[in-house]
Amino acid sequence: DQQVKQNSPSLSVQEGRISILNCDYTNSMFDYFLWYKKYPAEGPTFLISISSIKDKNEDGRFTVFLNKSAKHLSLHIVPSQPGDSAVYFCAASAHTGNQFYFGTGTSLTVIP
Amino acid sequence: DVKVTQSSRYLVKRTGEKVFLECVQDMDHENMFWYRQDPGLGLRLIYFSYDVKMKEKGDIPEGYSVSREKKERFSLILESASTNQTSMYLCASSTPKGSGYTFGSGTRLTVV
Repeated sequence: DQQVKQNSPSLSVQEGRISILNCDYTNSMFDYFLWYKKYPAEGPTFLISISSIKDKNEDGRFTVFLNKSAKHLSLHIVPSQPGDSAVYFCAASAHTGNQFYFGTGTSLTVIP
Repeated sequence: DVKVTQSSRYLVKRTGEKVFLECVQDMDHENMFWYRQDPGLGLRLIYFSYDVKMKEKGDIPEGYSVSREKKERFSLILESASTNQTSMYLCASSTPKGSGYTFGSGTRLTVV
């Protein structure tokens, strides 16, 4: 059973506009969330994280929002750049465990 | 620069062969993981290990085994490769209750 879901397999955005990638989770024990970015033929690289004690975390052009009551998080990229074109995975873990659970990924294409 | 190194970027093997995928990390991490990535299915956990000589099954362990004789090395073994094991294999490591995984660059395995 998929505990972390990314319901949009792909997203296309014009350069300079905002990209919004969404992620839902089902396990209420999850309290730490990550976003990873993956280029083809490379391993995922860490992008940004958020703890459940916050509802927002910002790092440059990237902002992650967490809505605990809805069990939903989103990644905003603004402004989007062609180099942002990649697959984005969200991941979640519970403080009681060692393991992260990953979504199925969203492929973002930023059109120049 | 901390690293997770996977021994091969690309491998082509024949059906029925025994295949070894090697992963080495230099961060003294206790936890190590093997995932496979397939389009539309995201990252699926095959096996993980929290300590030397210790292993746990992930979500899709069938057809695979692992070995962790030293803390820094975690090997994935395909006992008898099949075409449905053609995939991108990703190794990762982390500290206990860590803030996320560090991934290797991946091994693209093709079984013919």
